[in-house]
Amino acid sequence: DAKTTQPTSMDCAEGRAANLPCNHSTISGNEYVYWYRQIHSQGPQYIIHGLKNNETNEMASLIITEDRKSSTLILPHATLRDTAVYYCIVRAPSGSARQLTFGSGTQLTVLP
Amino acid sequence: DVKVTQSSRYLVKRTGEKVFLECVQDMDHENMFWYRQDPGLGLRLIYFSYDVKMKEKGDIPEGYSVSREKKERFSLILESASTNQTSMYLCASSLLLAGGPHEQFFGPGTRLTVL
Repeated sequence: DAKTTQPTSMDCAEGRAANLPCNHSTISGNEYVYWYRQIHSQGPQYIIHGLKNNETNEMASLIITEDRKSSTLILPHATLRDTAVYYCIVRAPSGSARQLTFGSGTQLTVLP
Repeated sequence: DVKVTQSSRYLVKRTGEKVFLECVQDMDHENMFWYRQDPGLGLRLIYFSYDVKMKEKGDIPEGYSVSREKKERFSLILESASTNQTSMYLCASSLLLAGGPHEQFFGPGTRLTVL
């Protein structure tokens, strides 16, 4: 799985968009970009994933650059409950079960 | 929505006790996983299962066993709990999709303290 680099921490004002960047310059053509988050003392939560095109769901949008070497997770209207550690993961599809490996992630703090 | 539930959010046990952690998922997923998460060490895989009665060791299986008698249920067993097994235990499940993405869905976690 390709290595990812994320900022250690970010702040965002409540109600504003939170834009979380991730660099994955060694990504391979068949590797997906996944985002998870983990709120303190809770289990990780899947947010979104994408391959080439931008994706949007009820939680967030994922913007992947044309060269696929970086991506941005966008929370359009951040709330206090979005304060969490956000993990960007790049991994190839597999026909068998494979474990997840989280890096250090970005601590997002949404400020009132 | 996929739901993964774990039997307890908090558990306190004594050294030497046998501990059962239960996990149930309601989305007919083939794969189920048990991780533990410790500060500074990230997620570490203990065991996983890709089918009923099938199990594979992860990175740190010592001191643990698992059971998967039904597709929706995956149990983690600490045969004789020790203080170094104090941790947050996370269960996850995913579909088995050959050639496709397979996001994992996690339960809320069980914070186990062994005294």
